Amino acid sequence: EPEVTQTPSHQVTQMGQEVILRCVPISNHLYFYWYRQILGQKVEFLVSFYNNEISEKSEIFDDQFSVERPDGSNFTLKIRSTKLEDSAMYFCASSGTALAKNIQYFGAGTRLSVL
Amino acid sequence: DAKTTQPNSMESNEEEPVHLPCNHSTISGTDYIHWYRQLPSQGPEYVIHGLTSNVNNRMASLAIAEDRKSSTLILHRATLRDAAVYYCILRDGEEGGGADGLTFGKGTHLIIQP
Repeated sequence: EPEVTQTPSHQVTQMGQEVILRCVPISNHLYFYWYRQILGQKVEFLVSFYNNEISEKSEIFDDQFSVERPDGSNFTLKIRSTKLEDSAMYFCASSGTALAKNIQYFGAGTRLSVL
Repeated sequence: DAKTTQPNSMESNEEEPVHLPCNHSTISGTDYIHWYRQLPSQGPEYVIHGLTSNVNNRMASLAIAEDRKSSTLILHRATLRDAAVYYCILRDGEEGGGADGLTFGKGTHLIIQP
């Protein structure tokens, strides 16, 4: 069964450093998403991406965040200057078409630890 | 996404049916009821969705009240692998209406006893 793949599974970084979280969405999907989940809290939407541009973003997704689809398979989330409060699980998701946005397939996540 | 209310936690025994309730009294006519679950240390996983009629798939059944103000996710025979947080989410339109991002609440933490 096709799945969303995220790497690395755990990323440790120092405060102020840049990190790039990587995702390989399901191959024929067109919509891509990033969510985060701070330990013990709800899953929160960050951003959606369609047709090589951001479709929608939440208040959390400020100027320190960016997303990119550098090639036909990868989807990345970059955090420019990490803060302690960026420590969280980050989940990538994808959905097949605009007509099926509500069925999103999630990866297992990347645990980001900012020290 | 319109608001839903779920119990914080529920407990059930292995191999018994589980009924997970969700209240959504302010549901609009175009809102579909979606269920996702999150297994420990995993990302959320789509389970099922419906509009008015009861729905079945290989994972679960969804029973929707006639007035649509509540619904119940039914796991017919729970296993230890069904222990997870279950989220009930309303979405505008089955096919892409409304916001892109899913709005997750706290969900129901389902505990399965062996």
